[in-house]
Amino acid sequence: EAGVAQSPRYKIIEKRQSVAFWCNPISGHATLYWYQQILGQGPKLLIQFQNNGVVDDSQLPKDRFSAERLKGVDSTLKIQPAKLEDSAVYLCASRRTSGSPGELFFGEGSRLTVL
Amino acid sequence: AQSVTQLDSHVSVSEGTPVLLRCNYSSSYSPSLFWYVQHPNKGLQLLLKYTSAATLVKGINGFEAEFKKSETSFHLTKPSAHMSDAAEYFCVVFSGGYNKLIFGAGTRLAVHP
Repeated sequence: EAGVAQSPRYKIIEKRQSVAFWCNPISGHATLYWYQQILGQGPKLLIQFQNNGVVDDSQLPKDRFSAERLKGVDSTLKIQPAKLEDSAVYLCASRRTSGSPGELFFGEGSRLTVL
Repeated sequence: AQSVTQLDSHVSVSEGTPVLLRCNYSSSYSPSLFWYVQHPNKGLQLLLKYTSAATLVKGINGFEAEFKKSETSFHLTKPSAHMSDAAEYFCVVFSGGYNKLIFGAGTRLAVHP
């Protein structure tokens, strides 16, 4: 089966600019996650979707970050305006409905550098 | 509260020698525990999982981990390191009471010839 697809793989922007990342999960996976991984740290959950509904967005900085999964398939994460501390790898992951809560399939990530 | 601590940020071994990556967890509920591996510029991949069945869990690429409730530990081991094992390893805890996955900070494993 095809894996989790993410784009772009790399993005460099200046602070206060905006950026969007796209994720296409594995076909049939109802649960989709966006994680932020800052260099030297473990991934931190930003938002979790179940189909097109938000399950957990408690750690999403809602003043600048937004995410949507309109048709319950692919998803977009947006940052506007970006800050220097947003420099990180943004990981998308998906999980099959019958899978264990910790059994996630990750994409290769989108690396953001904010100058 | 729920947390996970990886006791070593860096581990260096010689090829062919054993690997030990240490992980301790804290949870007020019965946890499920996982180890993930991340090779450079790649996504995370599940190595193995413990979900309240056998306490000794075998994973891919010869890795295994033992759940020790009395020590709140879930250390990852491999009898003989291979150059391709060089990567970042993450210990992850989940418990239904919190309904959240918590990742450790990671351990970078270096393997020398």
